[in-house]
Amino acid sequence: DAGVTQSPTHLIKTRGQQVTLRCSPKSGHDTVSWYQQALGQGPQFIFQYYEEEERQRGNFPDRFSGHQFPNYSSELNVNALLLGDSALYLCASSSNRVYQETQYFGPGTRLLVL
Amino acid sequence: AQKVTQAQTEISVVEKEDVTLDCVYETRDTTYYLFWYKQPPSGELVFLIRRNSFDEQNEISGRYSWNFQKSTSSFNFTITASQVVDSAVYFCALSEATAGGSYIPTFGRGTSLIVHP
Repeated sequence: DAGVTQSPTHLIKTRGQQVTLRCSPKSGHDTVSWYQQALGQGPQFIFQYYEEEERQRGNFPDRFSGHQFPNYSSELNVNALLLGDSALYLCASSSNRVYQETQYFGPGTRLLVL
Repeated sequence: AQKVTQAQTEISVVEKEDVTLDCVYETRDTTYYLFWYKQPPSGELVFLIRRNSFDEQNEISGRYSWNFQKSTSSFNFTITASQVVDSAVYFCALSEATAGGSYIPTFGRGTSLIVHP
C-alpha cells in the first residue's frame, strides 16, 4: 500500500520564479492538505483540497495556489517566489469518508529560493 | 485562537534513559484533538497518537506513553528506555473538530530529541 508521495524531493529556484510541487495521496484517500515548514519551525497549514475544490485555507497570500485532480492528486503552485518561501513543503492526505481520520504525511519537497 | 507550546527546544539523553517531552496547548474549543508526530531526518511526519478532549485516559504503547491533563492543558509524551532510533524532532499538535470532518492541526515548534549511544 503506497503512502503519500511527493515530487520533486528537492528544488532550487530564484526569486521571482514560479514553482509547482506535486503530491499523490495514500491509496483510498480523497483529501489533500499542504503545509509549509520553515527551518526550525513546526508545519503551518496552507490549504486543503477535497472534491477538486479548496475547502479550507490558512494564513497564506494568494501567491500560493493549488489544484486537485479527479484522481485526488494535488499540486501546490507558488508564484513570485521570495527568499522566505524557502522551506520544506509537506503534503498530507486523509479520507473524508472516515470521520476525523488522521492525516498521513509525505516526505516533503525541500525548496530553496536564492 | 489555538496555540501549542513546546518549551523544550532540544533534549539530549543517553540511551536507556527515560525522557519526557512537554506540550502545553491553548484553545477555546470544548471539543478538540491532540496529536504527537515524529519527524526523523528524512522529513516525513510519522503519526504517533491522537487524543480527543473527552478522553483523559493515559495511554501506553510499548515504550511510549502519553499523559493528558485537561486541568493543566498539557499533553506530555514519555519515552521509556530511549534508543538511538528515537532521535528525531517530535511535534505536538492541536486541532479543533472541523465541520468537514478533517483535521487541520496547529503544530508546536517541535522538540529535537538526541539519544546518544
